[in-house]
Amino acid sequence: NAGVTQTPKFQVLKTGQSMTLQCAQDMNHEYMSWYRQDPGMGLRLIHYSVGAGITDQGEVPNGYNVSRSTTEDFPLRLLSAAPSQTSVYFCASSEPGRYFSPLHFGNGTRLTVT
Amino acid sequence: DQQVKQNSPSLSVQEGRISILNCDYTNSMFDYFLWYKKYPAEGPTFLISISSIKDKNEDGRFTVFLNKSAKHLSLHIVPSQPGDSAVYFCAATLGRYNFNKFYFGSGTKLNVKP
Repeated sequence: NAGVTQTPKFQVLKTGQSMTLQCAQDMNHEYMSWYRQDPGMGLRLIHYSVGAGITDQGEVPNGYNVSRSTTEDFPLRLLSAAPSQTSVYFCASSEPGRYFSPLHFGNGTRLTVT
Repeated sequence: DQQVKQNSPSLSVQEGRISILNCDYTNSMFDYFLWYKKYPAEGPTFLISISSIKDKNEDGRFTVFLNKSAKHLSLHIVPSQPGDSAVYFCAATLGRYNFNKFYFGSGTKLNVKP
């Protein structure tokens, strides 16, 4: 099982450019989410989805867009990259309907905006 | 303001001794607490969890303690092994209908010396 797959692993953007971070999971999980990890800040929730066609904002949604057209995929779009979006981005998935379900994370995308 | 805090950025212990990682939280509504372990260039992996109705949970060498009155939890690793060297994140969630939203601490880097 591949689990949660993120591409690309590394990306450098110039200020103002746009791009999409890809995330796919093969565990048939309904819940998917995007976090960013910054030094001294831990992981912060950007956007999440509880199923295909349903998305909502997390703690730090500004400058990012998401959509969920299938259960497997949850891409994160940067509309106009800014240096403040330099970070490591993690996609995660989990199962609903159980009393407790931990997040399964991908290996991350390291993004640098110059 | 961060609702989950890990005030020790790093911890160094000798192999075979006990490692104690600490975490404080501010939101008394948190219902589940988790610890994740992260190696470089990988995503966080789930380690152990505890429900707010318990004060202790054990899994092999790992034990998590919860003190609700102090809003404090800790992770004990006994005995510590060099392979335990990693960054440990504590996380909290508001319960069974919020498993898509977790709040993370900033992490503690554990170094276990042979």
